[in-house]
Amino acid sequence: GAVVSQHPSWVICKSGTSVKIECRSLDFQATTMFWYRQFPKQSLMLMATSNEGSKATYEQGVEKDKFLINHASLTLSTLTVTSAHPEDSSFYICSASLGILGGYTFGSGTRLTVV
Amino acid sequence: DAKTTQPNSMESNEEEPVHLPCNHSTISGTDYIHWYRQLPSQGPEYVIHGLTSNVNNRMASLAIAEDRKSSTLILHRATLRDAAVYYCILLNAGGTSYGKLTFGQGTILTVHP
Repeated sequence: GAVVSQHPSWVICKSGTSVKIECRSLDFQATTMFWYRQFPKQSLMLMATSNEGSKATYEQGVEKDKFLINHASLTLSTLTVTSAHPEDSSFYICSASLGILGGYTFGSGTRLTVV
Repeated sequence: DAKTTQPNSMESNEEEPVHLPCNHSTISGTDYIHWYRQLPSQGPEYVIHGLTSNVNNRMASLAIAEDRKSSTLILHRATLRDAAVYYCILLNAGGTSYGKLTFGQGTILTVHP
């Protein structure tokens, strides 16, 4: 089946540094990918929609200059958390659609801890 | 966006069937009903989806009410590995929210040995 690989699975970084998270579709091409954030004991919150070859679309309240999204190919989307702060510590998850008639497949998530 | 309502939690015993309900009284004609589940510290996993007719796959069955205002995810024989948060989500096939999955709080399913 369709697989989305997300890397790294966890990362610890110092406050003020930037962290890049990769999301790859392994056996299919993903024109559109989605990025979510999940805080402990909460549901997933959609951050942005990543479109191959164009600018990402951010949800209301999400700082596009802080969460940089690049979707340079049909199999790779990246999320860079810039100038990370402890409040950015969260579980980040990417997803790709298999078409409106199919389901969505998710990466295994990245646990970001900013110290 | 049309919203869904699910019980906060449910419990089941291993090897028994589980019926997870979802209400979506404001569903529109272009909304697909999707179900996903999430195990602790993992990304969500696709379970099943449908539009109007009941659906079956190797994981579960989806029963959709005739008026589409509610649906039920059926796990035929619960196992300990089915313990997860189950999300019922309406996916709009048109309009400005096209293709976006919006997660609610879901139902925490506990399976007892």
